[in-house]
Amino acid sequence: DAGVIQSPRHEVTEMGQEVTLRCKPISGHDYLFWYRQTMMRGLELLIYFNNNVPIDDSGMPEDRFSAKMPNASFSTLKIQPSEPRDSAVYFCASSLVSGRVYNEQFFGPGTRLTVL
Amino acid sequence: AQSVSQHNHHVILSEAASLELGCNYSYGGTVNLFWYVQYPGQHLQLLLKYFSGDPLVKGIKGFEAEFIKSKFSFNLRKPSVQWSDTAEYFCAVNAYNTDKLIFGTGTRLQVFP
Repeated sequence: DAGVIQSPRHEVTEMGQEVTLRCKPISGHDYLFWYRQTMMRGLELLIYFNNNVPIDDSGMPEDRFSAKMPNASFSTLKIQPSEPRDSAVYFCASSLVSGRVYNEQFFGPGTRLTVL
Repeated sequence: AQSVSQHNHHVILSEAASLELGCNYSYGGTVNLFWYVQYPGQHLQLLLKYFSGDPLVKGIKGFEAEFIKSKFSFNLRKPSVQWSDTAEYFCAVNAYNTDKLIFGTGTRLQVFP
């Protein structure tokens, strides 16, 4: 398996622009998580999905952030409009939880976002 | 609310020194415990995990961790570090029967030759 795939790996944009980050989870995994990593706040969970349904979006910082998972193999995290304080590395992770047996999360390579 | 504390924010060691990184969590119930490592410029990778059984778990690259339930701790150890161990280390906790991982703030380890 290729692992969790994220695109783009780097994104530089100007304040006010829309940014879309993409994630393809590991095939067969039923959970997908979006995290944000910054020096100041560390690793923060933004939102996660189970079987394509958003379960908890309490970590999404503002209405400017939205996430979708239209099918089991694709998810997007959108920021509109973007601001300089959104600059961070955004990670996607997936896991398989079967019968309430928790398993490790597998992380993608991340998208480094810079908003000028 | 659950939380994870990593008290060592930055650790600097020479090669061959022994390593112990602290991790404490706040949750009274059953937990699953993890250590992840993030090498410079890379994504998080699982180092080791504890679900049940022997509280001393061994992971990749010579790392091990001990779960001490009475102390709510899951400290990471390695008897002799290498320069290639330079990375950031994250402790994470999953409360049993929940979906989320709660991460600590991470410990940056620098190993000098």
